[in-house]
Amino acid sequence: EAGVTQFPSHSVIEKGQTVTLRCDPISGHDNLYWYRRVMGKEIKFLLHFVKESKQDESGMPNNRFLAERTGGTYSTLKVQPAELEDSGVYFCASSYLWGSGTDTQYFGPGTRLTVL
Amino acid sequence: AQTVTQSQPEMSVQEAETVTLSCTYDTSESDYYLFWYKQPPSRQMILVIRQEAYKQQNATENRFSVNFQKAAKSFSLKISDSQLGDAAMYFCAYRRASYNTDKLIFGTGTRLQVFP
Repeated sequence: EAGVTQFPSHSVIEKGQTVTLRCDPISGHDNLYWYRRVMGKEIKFLLHFVKESKQDESGMPNNRFLAERTGGTYSTLKVQPAELEDSGVYFCASSYLWGSGTDTQYFGPGTRLTVL
Repeated sequence: AQTVTQSQPEMSVQEAETVTLSCTYDTSESDYYLFWYKQPPSRQMILVIRQEAYKQQNATENRFSVNFQKAAKSFSLKISDSQLGDAAMYFCAYRRASYNTDKLIFGTGTRLQVFP
């Protein structure tokens, strides 16, 4: 079974540019989460999808961040325009819905975003 | 709001020895889950061990065990017979118990070095 995959693994962009991160969850996982770790700090929650619906987006920093999950499969996280403080590692995780299987969140390898 | 604190940014241990990583948390909830995740260098984060708050018995997974002290809100990870492959960032995480899996709240992590 394929794990959670993320693309790209690294992205270096200039301030003001746009970047789109992609996450492909494990097949069958209706829960999809985005997290971010800024250098040296804790991993912070950004948002949570249940299928294609946003269950909780309380962690989204501001309206420069837009997350989508069309069709309830893969998800994208767009940052537009990027700022220096957006640099960090963006993790995606997925899990089964409650009662559908283990509720363990499985993480992708992350996308390292550097904004210059 | 719930918080997780890992007060040891770095730890080191010699191969075959035992090491304990500390984690404390704060919550007003009575039912929740606690986790230790491991992220080896340049690799995906994986679940090491989990503990349900309602269980008094400490969780164990092979060489990994926890010391869960609910009243003290402490959740330490003990790694016995340390191996070179245990070298990684270790993150302590908390999650409320809910019918639809909630977000994880992480600590800042502890980098574990293992020396031969």
